Amino acid sequence: AQSVTQLDSQVPVFEEAPVELRCNYSSSVSVYLFWYVQYPNQGLQLLLKYLSGSTLVKGINGFEAEFNKSQTSFHLRKPSVHISDTAEYFCAVKDHTGGFKTIFGAGTRLFVKA
Amino acid sequence: DVKVTQSSRYLVKRTGEKVFLECVQDMDHENMFWYRQDPGLGLRLIYFSYDVKMKEKGDIPEGYSVSREKKERFSLILESASTNQTSMYLCASTSRTADRETQYFGPGTRLLVL
Repeated sequence: AQSVTQLDSQVPVFEEAPVELRCNYSSSVSVYLFWYVQYPNQGLQLLLKYLSGSTLVKGINGFEAEFNKSQTSFHLRKPSVHISDTAEYFCAVKDHTGGFKTIFGAGTRLFVKA
Repeated sequence: DVKVTQSSRYLVKRTGEKVFLECVQDMDHENMFWYRQDPGLGLRLIYFSYDVKMKEKGDIPEGYSVSREKKERFSLILESASTNQTSMYLCASTSRTADRETQYFGPGTRLLVL
């Protein structure tokens, strides 16, 4: 069965510093990979996704992620964070078989401090 | 603009009450999902529906049922609410054609069962 591990439950960082949120998945099949963001008191929205092609994916708000098949990782990065990036970030995986299920990680809470 | 709405942002119910959570999407999406979100556990799939009157159990269907009488509306029913169903409930939808892999989420309903 697929699983998604987000290695950090909380990441505090100062404003304008770089940040990396780590995600590893376990799957024996080809997968689609996603990062979703949840701002306080809101639902989730898509930040970026990897379906195929280039392993470096750029998303909204200056975020990017790199798909590493050999390490089964999909880490999210931003070179300089803002206070407004404070949110919870979810990594998710869906396999290519055409099923309906997307598996979500437990989430990483990013705190950006002034 | 893509829109998923949920009938309530906050609900307080008593143990044993029957609870209805409503979700409506205006994107003509075929697939709809109900998740619950708990701290440290991420999102867990309760039920999903791939067409009107069609439903499939997710990972944690016990204590829940669903109804999809119209394409745009997907209801989650707690037949007899219990305190362990206190949680955030998120509805999502996906298209079967364009942008198939992206889930569009509602703002969530925070349910407290006393």
